[in-house]
Amino acid sequence: DAGITQSPRYKITETGRQVTLMCHQTWSHSYMFWYRQDLGHGLRLIYYSAAADITDKGEVPDGYVVSRSKTENFPLTLESATRSQTSVYFCASSSPAGGLSYNEQFFGPGTRLTVL
Amino acid sequence: DQQVKQNSPSLSVQEGRISILNCDYTNSMFDYFLWYKKYPAEGPTFLISISSIKDKNEDGRFTVFLNKSAKHLSLHIVPSQPGDSAVYFCAAIKDSNYQLIWGAGTKLIIKP
Repeated sequence: DAGITQSPRYKITETGRQVTLMCHQTWSHSYMFWYRQDLGHGLRLIYYSAAADITDKGEVPDGYVVSRSKTENFPLTLESATRSQTSVYFCASSSPAGGLSYNEQFFGPGTRLTVL
Repeated sequence: DQQVKQNSPSLSVQEGRISILNCDYTNSMFDYFLWYKKYPAEGPTFLISISSIKDKNEDGRFTVFLNKSAKHLSLHIVPSQPGDSAVYFCAAIKDSNYQLIWGAGTKLIIKP
């Protein structure tokens, strides 16, 4: 399928378990992002990547790990899940903007994660 | 410290009338402001943007206004249609570094 996909769409896990959320895009966008959305908050950036093997922290990176060995994939790992990480997670991608312009971010459908 | 604020959690508008969604920000260094629309169980989709050097941008039924002195922007939808019922997020970006700062969203309900 063309576009950006996330898997799984729903996940229930227990405190302390490791969980990996997958994100795959077919546009060859260089930029990829992970956000979490919680009630009363907008989306908050967890990590982003400007290209393969280049990642950087966002606003709320603690407890998360990312990697990007291939341009099209950007997995997010919760090494030891906590209840506070119960959230909806969105992956997004974007191509670089030229000069002072802005290129929109395209979002996946989200993964709803529940940590018991 | 919320740099982008949407103070109305929800808004109800009659079909055919104008919908006005508001957003305030605190950082005068933002370069672009964007509106995204989100339906349940889907990711946000880009709607319209405005550069900090403009005061208005129009795209069909959607117009965004930027008042830099008041650090305020608004999204106007005219006329409102049932398919416009969704959550609308205001977001801002600084230095084109791709880090979007999001408001909490406003749920728009269009009544038939």
